[in-house]
Amino acid sequence: TQLLEQSPQFLSIQEGENLTVYCNSSSVFSSLQWYRQEPGEGPVLLVTVVTGGEVKKLKRLTFQFGDARKDSSLHITAAQPGDTGLYLCAGGNQDQFYFGTGTSLTVIP
Amino acid sequence: ETGVTQTPRHLVMGMTNKKSLKCEQHLGHNAMYWYKQSAKKPLELMFVYSLEERVENNSVPSRFSPECPNSSHLFLHLHTLQPEDSALYLCASSLYGAGGPRTGELFFGEGSRLTVL
Repeated sequence: TQLLEQSPQFLSIQEGENLTVYCNSSSVFSSLQWYRQEPGEGPVLLVTVVTGGEVKKLKRLTFQFGDARKDSSLHITAAQPGDTGLYLCAGGNQDQFYFGTGTSLTVIP
Repeated sequence: ETGVTQTPRHLVMGMTNKKSLKCEQHLGHNAMYWYKQSAKKPLELMFVYSLEERVENNSVPSRFSPECPNSSHLFLHLHTLQPEDSALYLCASSLYGAGGPRTGELFFGEGSRLTVL
């Protein structure tokens, strides 16, 4: 089993604040994805990173894949209530994806 | 609208019942997955099918039985479940497997919320 630990586990912030979520593992992955899941729904893919050191931006979200392809971070600028949800990272190897423990984000208006 | 459809969305069953969860993907993907999501736990991979062949069975109890009749459909047959099996069961598909130079991103259905009484 290849474990991915996310931190923090829970995060509650005011609208307009910035935040960073971390995803760490001792394993190397060929790709890493970030998903957001809203209550009662399945996770929805936000981004995929495949190259060590890669940085991708999606509007106010910035994703980075660690140089060694073992960790990743998600930074949200000026958080909005619509960003509320469970954020999951997932590392891909062979035929499996290994999911992180999740970060539950609440953005208070 | 999702390209992966799961039915039923909610299911309540007794411990002696037999039921099935259904998943259908309209994306032309080659791999399909069953995941279990319980409160305060990471998503647990249960089964993986690639080109209709089972490639992974992560020590799942035999009371869960998957079936993949073709590349678009995946079933999870449930029999003699326990209350601790209550969870959100998520189906997903990917164009390829997860590794190698291809990204193999997962597309999830909305899940089937199972309650075992």
